[in-house]
Amino acid sequence: EAGVTQFPSHSVIEKGQTVTLRCDPISGHDNLYWYRRVMGKEIKFLLHFVKESKQDESGMPNNRFLAERTGGTYSTLKVQPAELEDSGVYFCASSQDMGLGTQYFGPGTRLLVL
Amino acid sequence: QKEVEQDPGPLSVPEGAIVSLNCTYSNSAFQYFMWYRQYSRKGPELLMYTYSSGNKEDGRFTAQVDKSSKYISLFIRDSQPSDSATYLCAMSLTSGTYKYIFGTGTRLKVLA
Repeated sequence: EAGVTQFPSHSVIEKGQTVTLRCDPISGHDNLYWYRRVMGKEIKFLLHFVKESKQDESGMPNNRFLAERTGGTYSTLKVQPAELEDSGVYFCASSQDMGLGTQYFGPGTRLLVL
Repeated sequence: QKEVEQDPGPLSVPEGAIVSLNCTYSNSAFQYFMWYRQYSRKGPELLMYTYSSGNKEDGRFTAQVDKSSKYISLFIRDSQPSDSATYLCAMSLTSGTYKYIFGTGTRLKVLA
């Protein structure tokens, strides 16, 4: 069974540019989550999809971040325009249900904004 | 003050040593405690979780929770080079949440 995949693995962009991160969850997982880890800090929750619906986006830092999950399959996270403080590792996770520790994490996308 | 404090390390130990990894927390309402392992360039993977106080053992790994001291530990017995990774603690208020509060992680290196 394929795990959670994320693309790209790395992205280096300049301040003010747009970047789109993609996450492909494990097949059949209705729940999809985005997390972010800023350098030197802890992993923090961004948002949660159930199928194509946003259930909770309380962790999204501001309106420069837009997440979508069209068709309830893969998800994209767009940052527009990117700022220096957006640099970090963006993790996607998916789960079949919401029990404790049931999430499978992807390898992350390392974003560097210069 | 951070909700969860974790020594970032790095922690280097010889193969076969017993490793102790720790986290302290400030919110006494946390009920569920998890340990994740993250290899370089990979996502975190769940090692084990415990509910409330007490010990839980899984092979070479033992998780311990002391709620009175707001302190959790992960012990690794007979450590192996393959245990070299970053270990993250995480906590939550309930079992059905995804809003875990993570520690910053401790880098562990087990030397052959």
